[in-house]
Amino acid sequence: RKEVEQDPGPFNVPEGATVAFNCTYSNSASQSFFWYRQDCRKEPKLLMSVYSSGNEDGRFTAQLNRASQYISLLIRDSKLSDSATYLCVVGGYGGSQGNLIFGKGTKLSVKP
Amino acid sequence: NAGVMQNPRHLVRRRGQEARLRCSPMKGHSHVYWYRQLPEEGLKFMVYLQKENIIDESGMPKERFSAEFPKEGPSILRIQQVVRGDSAAYFCASSPRGRTAMGWNTGELFFGEGSRLTVL
Repeated sequence: RKEVEQDPGPFNVPEGATVAFNCTYSNSASQSFFWYRQDCRKEPKLLMSVYSSGNEDGRFTAQLNRASQYISLLIRDSKLSDSATYLCVVGGYGGSQGNLIFGKGTKLSVKP
Repeated sequence: NAGVMQNPRHLVRRRGQEARLRCSPMKGHSHVYWYRQLPEEGLKFMVYLQKENIIDESGMPKERFSAEFPKEGPSILRIQQVVRGDSAAYFCASSPRGRTAMGWNTGELFFGEGSRLTVL
């Protein structure tokens, strides 16, 4: 099983649609969870952290289910500018030797 | 307020040559990370450095690859005797704080725009 696994997509959705991305991780000792966004041929940028209680930032909602080792990202009212690859990131296996593990990403394409 | 600066942005090398990639972290950041992204692949952790120290190089290939972050100057990722399989985007990231015993505080790594290495 891969450390961080995502559906690669692509997800092709019309503007205004709601889209959900899922991610699973293999190491139950993981401590930290994030979603990053990467535009084509650009660097990744932090989109939001993911907490057990769930968190929302505008049109974006992230959820974490530790029991199932599952992370999700929901985007409501999709915009053309949301087109990008969304990277699920897991970190901190405990101790000082953990590092951030990036999934391969899920590609989203929002069409007019 | 300059972000993470990487150079060169694009580098072409022939097999057997050396590639040197440089990274200047954001001002005030003393933690530097190198990641490699192969075409159609995710980012793979290579090495984590603080000034003058390699903290974690568990992702570095055992041969031909080395990294440093001297007291003065940028961090350098060096690839000796490059092969075609080294062709990739190499991203450097920095953070103001490193990992802690409890894991990451915010998870925010600030990435540079990457250096794209092509080996002919």
